[in-house]
Amino acid sequence: GNSVTQMEGPVTLSEEAFLTINCTYTATGYPSLFWYVQYPGEGLQLLLKATKADDKGSNKGFEATYRKETTSFHLEKGSVQVSDSAVYFCALIAPRDTGNQFYFGTGTSLTVIP
Amino acid sequence: KAGVTQTPRYLIKTRGQQVTLSCSPISGHRSVSWYQQTPGQGLQFLFEYFSETQRNKGNFPGRFSGRQFSNSRSEMNVSTLELGDSALYLCASSSALDSYEQYFGPGTRLTVT
Repeated sequence: GNSVTQMEGPVTLSEEAFLTINCTYTATGYPSLFWYVQYPGEGLQLLLKATKADDKGSNKGFEATYRKETTSFHLEKGSVQVSDSAVYFCALIAPRDTGNQFYFGTGTSLTVIP
Repeated sequence: KAGVTQTPRYLIKTRGQQVTLSCSPISGHRSVSWYQQTPGQGLQFLFEYFSETQRNKGNFPGRFSGRQFSNSRSEMNVSTLELGDSALYLCASSSALDSYEQYFGPGTRLTVT
């Protein structure tokens, strides 16, 4: 079956610290991988994506590389800011003939303190 | 371009009642998906509609149902509410050509007492 496992939070970092949020997946076929971010009181926003092995998705200083050999898609940022405080979700989509279905991890809450 | 809108934003219901939530996708998007978000289970897929047809369904009981109208607006209905149905219900829309990117609404917070 398909599933996503991401590191449990909450994670608390000081401003300008390095961030890594681990994500591993199990999937049949060749999934596409995503990171979504949810700010307080809002819906999910797509942060970045990668659709095939070795692709690197990047946005707003965040990066993640699709590693097929380790079935991983870890999220990284070199220097976090207070405004990055949010919940981060790793997700995969496994296309099927009858439609697309997203599988989400449980989310990792990040708090960045000044 | 306006984003995905969901109404109402907050709802309080009593056990045994039923509820209908509404979602208006981004203009031109024909796919609408629904998710249930709870602290313990995270985000769980409910169902996906495309051009008024249910394309995909998650592992939820038959009390959860949905439909999509010709203008792509979607509703989901939960009958015989249980306390465990308290959650944030998120709707997401995507276009037919770029269906890998889903755009989420702010959600409807349902509280069952």
